[in-house]
Amino acid sequence: GAVVSQHPSWVICKSGTSVKIECRSLDFQATTMFWYRQFPKQSLMLMATSNEGSKATYEQGVEKDKFLINHASLTLSTLTVTSAHPEDSSFYICSARDRAPYEQYFGPGTRLTVT
Amino acid sequence: GQQVMQIPQYQHVQEGEDFTTYCNSSTTLSNIQWYKQRPGGHPVFLIQLVKSGEVKKQKRLTFQFGEAKKNSSLHITATQTTDVGTYFCAGDRSGGSNYKLTFGKGTLLTVNP
Repeated sequence: GAVVSQHPSWVICKSGTSVKIECRSLDFQATTMFWYRQFPKQSLMLMATSNEGSKATYEQGVEKDKFLINHASLTLSTLTVTSAHPEDSSFYICSARDRAPYEQYFGPGTRLTVT
Repeated sequence: GQQVMQIPQYQHVQEGEDFTTYCNSSTTLSNIQWYKQRPGGHPVFLIQLVKSGEVKKQKRLTFQFGEAKKNSSLHITATQTTDVGTYFCAGDRSGGSNYKLTFGKGTLLTVNP
């Protein structure tokens, strides 16, 4: 199956700083990538849909100025958590959608801890 | 908005017993997908169901999509310890350019050897 990588796999940062997470589709081109957030023992919450070359579409309640998404190429999308606070600590997972049959492949996730 | 309900939230079984998780959508779905997430891991795609009443099998796993395309189930026969994890269903309502998956809350399966 297709492979999606994510970097870094974990990061600890201080409150007020910004953190960038990269998501890459390694062996296919992904016109659409998705960013999810997952709290412990909970489901995946879609944060935004990222389309190559256009602005991301954010879900209701997700601050687009806080969670900056850039999808500059068909294989790379980035999520920047700006001015991070402890409540932003979570597991962030990206996924990329392949062409038909439209399977969605998930990256390994990034565990963010804000101190 | 679209909601996808999944039950049960937890299921503990003895190795060899069967397991079923159910998924129900408030709206008709274009397709439904199932994922498995091992503890500490990320979701891994299992299968996609598209047709009304569709049934697909993967070894000991049987997936069904309801006639109305609003519900689905995953059944595991004779569970093994390797089946441990959280099983998520995810519904797609759009079927087109507005593709977006809505995930159920998942069912955490634990298996006692």
